[in-house]
Amino acid sequence: EAGVVQSPRYKIIEKKQPVAFWCNPISGHNTLYWYRQNLGQGPELLIRYENEEAVDDSQLPKDRFSAERLKGVDSTLKIQPAELGDSAVYLCASSLTSTLTNEQFFGPGTRLTVL
Amino acid sequence: KQEVTQIPAALSVPEGENLVLNCSFTDSAIYNLQWFRQDPGKGLTSLLLIQSSQREQTSGRLNASLDKSSGRSTLYIAASQPGDSATYLCAVRLRNDYKLSFGAGTTVTVRA
Repeated sequence: EAGVVQSPRYKIIEKKQPVAFWCNPISGHNTLYWYRQNLGQGPELLIRYENEEAVDDSQLPKDRFSAERLKGVDSTLKIQPAELGDSAVYLCASSLTSTLTNEQFFGPGTRLTVL
Repeated sequence: KQEVTQIPAALSVPEGENLVLNCSFTDSAIYNLQWFRQDPGKGLTSLLLIQSSQREQTSGRLNASLDKSSGRSTLYIAASQPGDSATYLCAVRLRNDYKLSFGAGTTVTVRA
């Protein structure tokens, strides 16, 4: 079974440019998460989707970040415009809410460098 | 807010030595705790998940214990190998919340 797929794996952009990350969760997983991991730190949740609904976006900087999960499967996270401080690894995870553990499975991440 | 701390931040041991990694958390009302491994430039691989009702979980050379009352978990890796070199993160999920709160990780180097 395929795991969580993310693309691109790496992205280098100039500040003030837009950037988008794509995530395809494990088949059948209804919950999708976007995390941001700064260098030397643990990941922090940006947004959580239950199917196509964003149920927790309290940590998403809404002035420049946006996300969507059309049809409740794939998701896209966008930054516009990017700032130097946005350089980080963006991780996508998915889980099946109906299970007891609701274990989250992570993708390989997208490493963003803003110059 | 749940605070998760991992000490030490880095650890270097000779091959064959047992590893002991510590994780502490401030809010004991947890639902479960997970230990992850992260290789450089890679995503997170789940190693062990301990439900709040459990005291420990084992998988091969790995054993994780959980003491909710003291807010601690320990990951033991027996007979370490160079391939165990990675960053190990613990993450805690509270009851009535789906968010994982992560520690900053312990970077392990196993010397051949």
